[in-house]
Amino acid sequence: QVQLVESGGGLVKPGGSLRLSCAASGFTFSDYYMSWIRQAPGKGLEWVSYISSSGSTIYYADSVKGRFTISRDNAKNSLYLQMNSLRAEDTAVYYCARVGGIAVAGLWGQGTLVTVSS
Amino acid sequence: SSELTQDPAVSVALGQTVRITCQGDSLRSYYASWYQQKPGQAPVLVIYGKNNRPSGIPDRFSGSSSGNTASLTITGAQAEDEADYYCNSRDSSGNHLNVVFGGGTKLTVL
Repeated sequence: QVQLVESGGGLVKPGGSLRLSCAASGFTFSDYYMSWIRQAPGKGLEWVSYISSSGSTIYYADSVKGRFTISRDNAKNSLYLQMNSLRAEDTAVYYCARVGGIAVAGLWGQGTLVTVSS
Repeated sequence: SSELTQDPAVSVALGQTVRITCQGDSLRSYYASWYQQKPGQAPVLVIYGKNNRPSGIPDRFSGSSSGNTASLTITGAQAEDEADYYCNSRDSSGNHLNVVFGGGTKLTVL
């Protein structure tokens, strides 16, 4: 079954860290760009970061640059997002997505909720 | 970075045709993709490229583009089409590596 399953979300204090994981199955993970996209409660979608199939190309939204790090392990069919120096405005559901042509998110996970609060 | 602008809300009578639009400078260079999101669910890609539907998306969904405006058209809207719809594209400003989303359109089927 072709799917993405995120994990690692939870409640964290401002300034804290969290690492999200995304397990891919049912397709050749190493063939695809992958992305993290987030959605604050009651708000729209925001592109957070993407990484090329080999990991050689990485891009971050300005809102997370310098604080978040995307990575992947093609041997484990897994995508990661290390989030440091978390702020209240990072509170959101974080989705892992399989991407075509950088901007076309053709397959989404169910999302994992990150809450940054004291 | 560029912005994509969508109407916050649109309504359509059951069985009628509705067009949801997305405006932005980046659409002069890149095609928009369209996503449907129902409450409590992850978004689903419904249109990408010039006018392509992923497998499983009904053919009542279609896309078009002219100048700085992309459109998603639902021909014969069904009750199950009630959802939030988002457009996105690559950002044509700067190094073209950024990706932007529109603010979303809430579609109500009357």
